[in-house]
Amino acid sequence: EAQVTQNPRYLITVTGKKLTVTCSQNMNHEYMSWYRQDPGLGLRQIYYSMNVEVTDKGDVPEGYKVSRKEKRNFPLILESPSPNQTSLYFCASSLGTGSYGYTFGSGTRLTVV
Amino acid sequence: AQTVTQSQPEMSVQEAETVTLSCTYDTSESDYYLFWYKQPPSRQMILVIRQEAYKQQNATENRFSVNFQKAAKSFSLKISDSQLGDAAMYFCAYKYNNNDMRFGAGTRLTVKP
Repeated sequence: EAQVTQNPRYLITVTGKKLTVTCSQNMNHEYMSWYRQDPGLGLRQIYYSMNVEVTDKGDVPEGYKVSRKEKRNFPLILESPSPNQTSLYFCASSLGTGSYGYTFGSGTRLTVV
Repeated sequence: AQTVTQSQPEMSVQEAETVTLSCTYDTSESDYYLFWYKQPPSRQMILVIRQEAYKQQNATENRFSVNFQKAAKSFSLKISDSQLGDAAMYFCAYKYNNNDMRFGAGTRLTVKP
């Protein structure tokens, strides 16, 4: 089944404790992206990747890191999480430009206390 | 920067009735793509319908249709014969050729039995 697998689904952590949210897709998509969803703000892009070893900042990159060492994986790293990073996170991938939509992972609900 | 505005934070509809969700966007481009995504309580992001800006004909997917007004930069979603399963958050999204997708803040739709 074609899908984007995101883990974990829920995560509660403490301020300053490094964490990684994993994302993997099995569709051979070149484009991958991370979003955070907050009430009243919709989805905002954190980072995106056009291909292996090619990443770039989105609209809200502060406090986040990403890497794209393999085509299928695009982990999101929070080196020192803070409470304002409490949010719902989505990984997404796309076949390419044009009318292709995004395929989304199932989301990670992160709470930083 | 392109922006997407959904002016209705919440909407409600009676089962079997028709409801229209509004979306406007701001862009200087002539070639782009528009999407509506549905997010039920499961959090999964589900593509409902897409529209290519170069097509004048409005897209239709079963009970879902759009009213695309390119000059007015408006892209509303019409849901006919509303069902209880249509209750969800709906996001309007804009995508340019660089694969970057921008989302509105969302409209929460309630369906009353």
